[in-house]
Amino acid sequence: DVKVTQSSRYLVKRTGEKVFLECVQDMDHENMFWYRQDPGLGLRLIYFSYDVKMKEKGDIPEGYSVSREKKERFSLILESASTNQTSMYLCASSKEWSYEQYFGPGTRLTVT
Amino acid sequence: AQTVTQSQPEMSVQEAETVTLSCTYDTSESNYYLFWYKQPPSRQMILVIRQEAYKQQNATENRFSVNFQKAAKSFSLKISDSQLGDTAMYFCAFMKRRGIQGGSEKLVFGKGTKLTVNP
Repeated sequence: DVKVTQSSRYLVKRTGEKVFLECVQDMDHENMFWYRQDPGLGLRLIYFSYDVKMKEKGDIPEGYSVSREKKERFSLILESASTNQTSMYLCASSKEWSYEQYFGPGTRLTVT
Repeated sequence: AQTVTQSQPEMSVQEAETVTLSCTYDTSESNYYLFWYKQPPSRQMILVIRQEAYKQQNATENRFSVNFQKAAKSFSLKISDSQLGDTAMYFCAFMKRRGIQGGSEKLVFGKGTKLTVNP
């Protein structure tokens, strides 16, 4: 079974803090994605990566950056957390030529 | 840009009955996939069913089936014999098909429909 894990299920941070959300997949997937889920808005893509050290902006990249130094790990970075970044963050991965994305359990981030 | 619209924020159904969730989408692409994802309360998102745009036959997975109307850009999900475990958020999603071999692109999601199955 594909396993996508995220470093924390729940996280509380203060405004202005630098926040790291980690995602690890164990199936040698080339593609990795970060989505943000908000009630009434569905899921929106923040960033994605097709390969190590490669990244592309999604629909809402402002206020976020990413890092992919190893194939299995994709990090989402909030450079200076703000209250409007309080949300559920979902990581996903897929094989290069596969349509199916596998999701992690999510990290519920609260910024106070 | 592609958009996906789910017009039913919430729905409920009695156990063992049938329910249909609606989804419409807008795209100028000719090759794409459509998906229904399920997110149970406090659990991971999982793929329920997918449809490839070039296939006319509607996809079916056990109790789950779709009604794909390409010209109308409509993609509804029918759940037959509803079970309590079907209670979840359901997301309709679109993905552009990449190249001849297919492949993964970003997913564009609708806003979701919260389905409650009542005993």
